[in-house]
Amino acid sequence: RKEVEQDPGPFNVPEGATVAFNCTYSNSASQSFFWYRQDCRKEPKLLMSVYSSGNEDGRFTAQLNRASQYISLLIRDSKLSDSATYLCVVKNGNNRLAFGKGNQVVVIP
Amino acid sequence: EAGVAQSPRYKIIEKRQSVAFWCNPISGHATLYWYQQILGQGPKLLIQFQNNGVVDDSQLPKDRFSAERLKGVDSTLKIQPAKLEDSAVYLCASMLRRGEKLFFGSGTQLSVL
Repeated sequence: RKEVEQDPGPFNVPEGATVAFNCTYSNSASQSFFWYRQDCRKEPKLLMSVYSSGNEDGRFTAQLNRASQYISLLIRDSKLSDSATYLCVVKNGNNRLAFGKGNQVVVIP
Repeated sequence: EAGVAQSPRYKIIEKRQSVAFWCNPISGHATLYWYQQILGQGPKLLIQFQNNGVVDDSQLPKDRFSAERLKGVDSTLKIQPAKLEDSAVYLCASMLRRGEKLFFGSGTQLSVL
């Protein structure tokens, strides 16, 4: 089983709609969780951390379910500029960071 | 604040040739990572340094890849000899020792012909 699994998509989303996707992780002892955004031909950049109680940053909401070992990201009121690949990242011991394959989001006008 | 510096930005070589990439992390960042990202995939960890010591190199193909961070600051990643399947973007990233946020360089796009 891979450390971090994501359905690559693509997720084609009409502008203004809501899109959500999950990421599962295999190591129950994983410590921290993040969503990174990667634009085409660019390096990944931190979008948001994921906290146990769930957290929101503007139109983005992240949630963690430790019992089922998954995290989720929801994007409300999608903008064209949200088109990107969203990478799920899990931090284990020794600051080891494992990335998923990414969820590709395409916002359609 | 200066970011993570990587060079070269692009490299084209023929198979069986050698290539080296350089990375200078953000000042004060003790942890340095090299990732390989093949088109359509997520970044795959090759090696992780804490200062000048190796923390994790379990996914580094040691028969052809090597990396060093001699003074605990900048780092080089070498491939010798290169194979076609090594074509990818090589990303360097750094983080504070007790940090949470990973900072990436712009990457080196390697094409092996």
